[in-house]
Amino acid sequence: NAGVTQTPKFRVLKTGQSMTLLCAQDMNHEYMYWYRQDPGMGLRLIHYSVGEGTTAKGEVPDGYNVSRLKKQNFLLGLESAAPSQTSVYFCASSYSPPSGLYNEQFFGPGTRLTVL
Amino acid sequence: GQQVMQIPQYQHVQEGEDFTTYCNSSTTLSNIQWYKQRPGGHPVFLIQLVKSGEVKKQKRLTFQFGEAKKNSSLHITATQTTDVGTYFCAGINQAGTALIFGKGTTLSVSS
Repeated sequence: NAGVTQTPKFRVLKTGQSMTLLCAQDMNHEYMYWYRQDPGMGLRLIHYSVGEGTTAKGEVPDGYNVSRLKKQNFLLGLESAAPSQTSVYFCASSYSPPSGLYNEQFFGPGTRLTVL
Repeated sequence: GQQVMQIPQYQHVQEGEDFTTYCNSSTTLSNIQWYKQRPGGHPVFLIQLVKSGEVKKQKRLTFQFGEAKKNSSLHITATQTTDVGTYFCAGINQAGTALIFGKGTTLSVSS
């Protein structure tokens, strides 16, 4: 099992460009999450999904869109990148919701994004 | 809004010394999770505490959940260089739909 994978690993964008980050998991997890990590800020939730075809906003959703067309994939889109979106992006998945029994979150290796 | 705070932000110890990080929530938590992130790596789940006053041990790591379920701590006995990394606590938001992470405590160990 590969667990949670993310592509790409690194990316440099110019302000105003768009891109999509792909997250894939092979653990048949219902719940998937996108976080951003900035120095000294911990992990902040951008969007999450409780199942195929459903998405919801997290703590810092502005400037991002997501889609969960297939259970195993969760896509994060930046329509018009801004320097403030320079960050490390982590995808995670879990079998249960945070309040559930099997709620351990499995994280991908991250995508380091720089917006110039 | 709901917040999870961790102290200290950074801690440097000599190998063999003990280390403790503290986590405090502005609201009562149904459970609390701890994750470790090695430098350049991704967060990895360590443990979950659910019961008031719960204490769990993993080798040299001891995790505690406060009686009021608003605070937690992670204590490492006799640190080793392999303990280097950032330790995060995370509590569930009030809707039960997402984790709120603390900002983490970064531990460095010199031999």
